[in-house]
Amino acid sequence: DTAVSQTPKYLVTQMGNDKSIKCEQNLGHDTMYWYKQDSKKFLKIMFSYNNKELIINETVPNRFSPKSPDKAHLNLHINSLELGDSAVYFCASSQGEPMNTEAFFGQGTRLTVV
Amino acid sequence: GENVEQHPSTLSVQEGDSAVIKCTYSDSASNYFPWYKQELGKGPQLIIDIRSNVGEKKDQRIAVTLNKTAKHFSLHITETQPEDSAVYFCAASKPYYGGSQGNLIFGKGTKLSVKP
Repeated sequence: DTAVSQTPKYLVTQMGNDKSIKCEQNLGHDTMYWYKQDSKKFLKIMFSYNNKELIINETVPNRFSPKSPDKAHLNLHINSLELGDSAVYFCASSQGEPMNTEAFFGQGTRLTVV
Repeated sequence: GENVEQHPSTLSVQEGDSAVIKCTYSDSASNYFPWYKQELGKGPQLIIDIRSNVGEKKDQRIAVTLNKTAKHFSLHITETQPEDSAVYFCAASKPYYGGSQGNLIFGKGTKLSVKP
């Protein structure tokens, strides 16, 4: 069983569209994250939820909105997609002190905006 | 805020040689330093981590050293194998509890190539 699973793995869409990426973890962790990896492989956190509460909200356009219906799920919704949103988005989870313990990453969602 | 610098950006070694990747951080409050390995098409995976109360940690062919005074830490891989080829990321974070609201900051990555 995959510990942190994201869907879809690939997403190609046109500018201006709205899309969602789903993430689920079956590890029983209480903290989940969304990271963005750009074309140069730079990894940067976007959001973090601890027990369904938003605890990290980095400088990200408000077109990006995370939603955590429960501790095991953290979805990412993106409105009005732009070319610059093309990247690989990783979901991750951890247990214990947020940011300060091992994070388990999903396989990533490669978003291409055309 | 925290800034993590990682060097080199690319590293090519012969199979069996050692590889060393170095990182520096700026915030003296950082206390957790993980290293992640990312293989092509996959998410990063933790390979070793160290906390600020420890100077060195080893796990088989992988070791990490931490110099808190100089604010730098290094990853050492001995007897490299072709399957070690990947992108390696260092990271640093501060404690989350206690008001500092720690944030895990990644270095820009090192692409390691191990030639057979």
